[in-house]
Amino acid sequence: GNSVTQMEGPVTLSEEAFLTINCTYTATGYPSLFWYVQYPGEGLQLLLKATKADDKGSNKGFEATYRKETTSFHLEKGSVQVSDSAVYFCALSDLLIGPLYSGGGADGLTFGKGTHLIIQP
Amino acid sequence: DTGVSQDPRHKITKRGQNVTFRCDPISEHNRLYWYRQTLGQGPEFLTYFQNEAQLEKSRLLSDRFSAERPKGSFSTLEIQRTEQGDSAMYLCASTAGGNYNEQFFGPGTRLTVL
Repeated sequence: GNSVTQMEGPVTLSEEAFLTINCTYTATGYPSLFWYVQYPGEGLQLLLKATKADDKGSNKGFEATYRKETTSFHLEKGSVQVSDSAVYFCALSDLLIGPLYSGGGADGLTFGKGTHLIIQP
Repeated sequence: DTGVSQDPRHKITKRGQNVTFRCDPISEHNRLYWYRQTLGQGPEFLTYFQNEAQLEKSRLLSDRFSAERPKGSFSTLEIQRTEQGDSAMYLCASTAGGNYNEQFFGPGTRLTVL
């Protein structure tokens, strides 16, 4: 089945530091890949996405490149701010072609466990 | 704002009681999803609807759980005979579909079973 593994947190960095949050996946089909962010007290928000190999998603200074050869989608930002403190979730959505999939989770997102990022001033 | 809304935001109930949550998706989104998120974990897929048809259910969705989307707009998730293990955040998401399945999430309903 599908799975997403991301680095354990919390990750604590100083303001303006370089950020990398690792994410690797396993999938049975042709996944699209996403990073979602959950700010304190708020709901999940889509941060960026990539729909095919070698695509680069970017938003708010964050970037992630879809690497099919290493099955990875690592999140990076060159200079983090205190306001980036949040929980970050890597996720995939597998485009299934054919009969109804009964494995559970068909057409739903498969999430990693989340990485809590803390940026100190 | 026409985002996904969920009601109630918080629910405290006693073990054995039934609870029902409501989700209003973004208008014209034909797909609606339910997820469950426990502390320290990512959301886990429960079920999804294409219009009014429930097309997939996760193994996580026991017989005590039932979801409906009667007119293809809002959806309800009911949990019968709640157990303490049902305590979690229940998230709803919607999408207009398409190949890359970008989902928009509601704020969630936090359920506490005493």
